[in-house]
Amino acid sequence: QLQLQESGPGLVKPSETLSLTCTVSGGSISSSSYYWGWIRQPPGKGLEWIGSIYYSGSTYYNPSLKSRVTISVDTSKNQFSLKLSSVTAADTAVYYCARRGYSGYDLEWIYYFDYWGQGTLVTVSS
Amino acid sequence: DIQMTQSPSSLSASVGDRVTITCRASQSISSYLNWYQQKPGKAPKLLIYAASSLQSGVPSRFSGSGSGTDFTLTISSLQPEDFATYYCQQSYSTPHTFGQGTRLEIK
Repeated sequence: QLQLQESGPGLVKPSETLSLTCTVSGGSISSSSYYWGWIRQPPGKGLEWIGSIYYSGSTYYNPSLKSRVTISVDTSKNQFSLKLSSVTAADTAVYYCARRGYSGYDLEWIYYFDYWGQGTLVTVSS
Repeated sequence: DIQMTQSPSSLSASVGDRVTITCRASQSISSYLNWYQQKPGKAPKLLIYAASSLQSGVPSRFSGSGSGTDFTLTISSLQPEDFATYYCQQSYSTPHTFGQGTRLEIK
């Protein structure tokens, strides 16, 4: 059974960089055609996709965060990571890592997030 | 960005009720629509993808329909474990965007 687990500091100071790692177990992060992503949820609010990465290192990001986000992958450790720079209180959220699964649909592919980590709360405060 | 709007924002219902939640996209997304269930303190769980395909292991009382801009999630007979928040999400284009959520509460 595929499992994902987030890890990293739960408290980050304003203007600093938030760093989280997602460790994948029960499967290889290098599996073909799967992207791996980060999604966040401010307390009491909805879900926001941050960005995704392929095992080759190919990435795509939410334009609203792109200038501050870097997602990287370490296939030797079966991990991928998130860095979010210049954080403010608005970046306080539960951060989830997830696998972007896919299925064939109408001669194309449809994508969805089918495996999720349990989430980790990151608070931005001095 | 494609905006996803769910209605209602919250809903009270009883065990055994049939419930429908609506999701509207700001532009046509064909059937590139997924539904998730989230319980307090837990990660979202995929229920339905491609608007109407049931994810493996999800009870058949959950169903989805729609295409273009208007979609529905229906729970045919509410069970106690179904009280949660439900989100729609479009995968037609990036950024992947979610609806604001519909909180389903016990009446």
